[in-house]
Amino acid sequence: EVQLLESGGGVVRPGGSLRLSCAASGFTFDDYGMSWVRQPPGKGLEWVSSINWNGDSTDYADSVKGRFTISRDNAKKSLYVQMRSLRAEDTAIYYCARGRIGRFDPWGQGTLVTVSA
Amino acid sequence: SYVLTQPPSVSVAPGKTARITCGGIHTGSAHWYQQQPGQAPVVVIYDDSDRPSGIPERFSGSNSGNTATLTISRVEAGDEADYYCQVWDGFSDHGVFGGGTKLTVL
Repeated sequence: EVQLLESGGGVVRPGGSLRLSCAASGFTFDDYGMSWVRQPPGKGLEWVSSINWNGDSTDYADSVKGRFTISRDNAKKSLYVQMRSLRAEDTAIYYCARGRIGRFDPWGQGTLVTVSA
Repeated sequence: SYVLTQPPSVSVAPGKTARITCGGIHTGSAHWYQQQPGQAPVVVIYDDSDRPSGIPERFSGSNSGNTATLTISRVEAGDEADYYCQVWDGFSDHGVFGGGTKLTVL
């Protein structure tokens, strides 16, 4: 069974940093691009960032470019996003998902990031 | 920037057909996700009209001109959820989601 399990969420102060992780299982991890998608409380989905199979190509939403860094470790079958200079508007559930240029499928259960003083 | 437009809400009686549109598509194929309350999204249609295994045949998709449409036939109470369309913009290499549509089964 394909599974994605996010971790690393929590409460952080504005201007702070946080690193999210996503552990993959049930599929050949380095065959796929991967992505992060977020959802502010009560709002819609927002694409955040994507990375290709070997990490050579990365893409970012304008809202996070320069503050977030996506990366992966294929040996550990893990996806990461390092988030810096966090703002209140970054508060959201962060989902990792398999896929990049095509569909995002499947998704993890999400991890909540709250940016608050 | 690339904007996908969905109606905020659609209401339909059980057994009837629901259609949810996604306008503003000018590149790429459309994918549709269903999100039940408190759960992660699940893809119900990909590449405009393909259906993943395990998704009922009642779910279908089409893409004509600049608008993709998700059609749910013989709507059931369990179909009540938020639905999002999504494309990959190959020009900017950005993912793009529509604003979402809340489907209410009357």
